[in-house]
This record gives sequence, C-alpha cells and structure tokens, in this order.
Amino acid sequence: QLQLQESGPGLVKPSETLSLTCTVSGGSISSSTYYWGWIRQPPGKGLEWIGSIFHSGSTYYNPSLKSRVTISVDTSRNQFSLRLSSVTAADTAVYYCAVAELWGQGALVTVSS
Amino acid sequence: EIVLTQSPGTLSLSPGERATLSCRASQSVSSTYLAWYQQKPGQAPRLLIYGASSRATGIPDRFSGSGSGTDFTLTISRLEPEDFVVYYCQQYGSSPPGYTFGQGTKLEI
Repeated sequence: QLQLQESGPGLVKPSETLSLTCTVSGGSISSSTYYWGWIRQPPGKGLEWIGSIFHSGSTYYNPSLKSRVTISVDTSRNQFSLRLSSVTAADTAVYYCAVAELWGQGALVTVSS
Repeated sequence: EIVLTQSPGTLSLSPGERATLSCRASQSVSSTYLAWYQQKPGQAPRLLIYGASSRATGIPDRFSGSGSGTDFTLTISRLEPEDFVVYYCQQYGSSPPGYTFGQGTKLEI
C-alpha cells in the first residue's frame, strides 16, 4: 500500500534554508488525483498546513508562509520536496508529508545555532 | 478560507463513559474530505475516521463519525484508558487544494 517517508537534516541554523524530501512508495505520485502536501507541528502545538503540490507541478501555499516556501516534485524519483528559507526558532517542528488522509511518520527539524 | 473549530478544547470524562467531540466548519465542506485523527504524545497523528463516517483500518468500532455540511462529530462510545489523548479534525480539498485543521480537543481523565 501507499507509504510516505520524510528525510532530511534534523538540525538547521537560523537564517538558513530547511530542506526535506518525501519519498513515496507503493504507488506513483503521477497517478494521484490529490495534491501532495506538507504539514508541520511545533512542539506542544497544533497542526499547520504548509503547502501542496500536484504531480503536474502546480502548487498552493499557506499564505502565512508563502514568501519563504518552495515545494517541488520529481516524478522520476517518486518524490516531492519542501524548502523553507530564512528559518528561525519558530520553525522548529515535526514536519509531515501527506496525501489526503495518508501521512508519513514525520521528521523533527530543530532550528538552532 | 475554511476554518474548523473544535469543541470543547478539553473534555474531562472517565473510562467507560461516552465522549462526543465536535468540529464545526466556517462554511460547508464535503463529507468526503473530512477526517478525524488521534494523536498520542510523541507520535504522528493516527487516522481514525475518513469521509466523515468511515473507520480507518484497524480502528475499534467504539469510534464513530457523523455529520455533514458544517457540523461533524466524533463519538467514542466507551472510553478506554488509552483514549485519553488529543483529537484533531481535518478537512482537505482540491479547489483550492490544502489542508485545514481544528485546534484539537484534549480528552482527559
């Protein structure tokens, strides 16, 4: 069955760019009729949608993060990626990739010098 | 932009009792794209209900979902000790695409 797995550095310095990749297995990104998304959860807080991408490359971002977010897709590798620039401590969170109701296990990213 | 409001924020009950959690949308949403999640400390959210009323694989039948339009409910018929955690409702759409979450309901003993 379809599975998603996040990967990337667990520690990022302030002002730098956070980069994560979601690898999809058990199915093709290109065959989905849903948008593939990124969601995050700061420690002890609720869930926040970051943005979504369709396999064609069409993107849609949370307006509050839009100026710093780039989501891209690589259908040949069955992956989609997140880049969040100019990070601060407030960006410390568990980052999840998801499609519809199916989520990855999450990746903790800490922003600290 | 759709806003999901969960109530109550915290629900105090005892094992064996019935829990009713509410999720209200600021505008009508498709039941097809309304889900409920359970989150235990240190874990990823676990899908309980999708399509507003369908139980996910492996979810006990004491969990049920209902509702349509702007009002949705998660009911836990007989609370077990492991049910006292946080629950989120989620809506996702394709036009525009994106996810919206409620702020969560904490179920406490």
